[in-house]
Amino acid sequence: DTGVSQNPRHKITKRGQNVTFRCDPISEHNRLYWYRQTLGQGPEFLTYFQNEAQLEKSRLLSDRFSAERPKGSFSTLEIQRTEQGDSAMYLCASPRPGASLHGGKETQYFGPGTRLLVL
Amino acid sequence: GDSVTQMEGPVTLSEEAFLTINCTYTATGYPSLFWYVQYPGEGLQLLLKATKADDKGSNKGFEATYRKETTSFHLEKGSVQVSDSAVYFCALTYGGSQGNLIFGKGTKLSVKP
Repeated sequence: DTGVSQNPRHKITKRGQNVTFRCDPISEHNRLYWYRQTLGQGPEFLTYFQNEAQLEKSRLLSDRFSAERPKGSFSTLEIQRTEQGDSAMYLCASPRPGASLHGGKETQYFGPGTRLLVL
Repeated sequence: GDSVTQMEGPVTLSEEAFLTINCTYTATGYPSLFWYVQYPGEGLQLLLKATKADDKGSNKGFEATYRKETTSFHLEKGSVQVSDSAVYFCALTYGGSQGNLIFGKGTKLSVKP
């Protein structure tokens, strides 16, 4: 157990519907990352937060995607007007408290992911 | 841009065989390097890491050495077990404001009894 939880674990939706995922990171850490993993591929970076501020967004994050982290605690990722190409595993990650943020020594721990299937 | 390349899978080995999964990277700076493992039906787990050149990461009998001269971080294990069957991902990050991980495509390992 990495201490990062995600809900729901599975989501099946019809094309055009909106979906929202939640991530509860390791407590007391100010960074939180979202990734997407499609079948047979490695995870790809979507966006990250430092506290409540969204500091970077990948070009993979189209305008149908929005992420929030109110009060710098849990985070939500919403996909509007879902498309079949959005079907993937959505992963959340955070470092553990005490992990250095400098010099490339930060180690991210992943939640179990939310598997989305768009029909 | 920075990238990670892993050997194509799947890799099928017999129990107690020697394992090598190749990983090379392209980086503009000096990243930290990681191996993550994904067991069937489970999330990504950190297997081992190395933060600077010549560092060796090790865990559960797996080892990888950060080779700056060959830009490689090959994963090795002397004697694999059926329970090692999983998908292995090599990744790099700079940490700090560039803390996102860049992953390879993954290598699926199947170990037969």
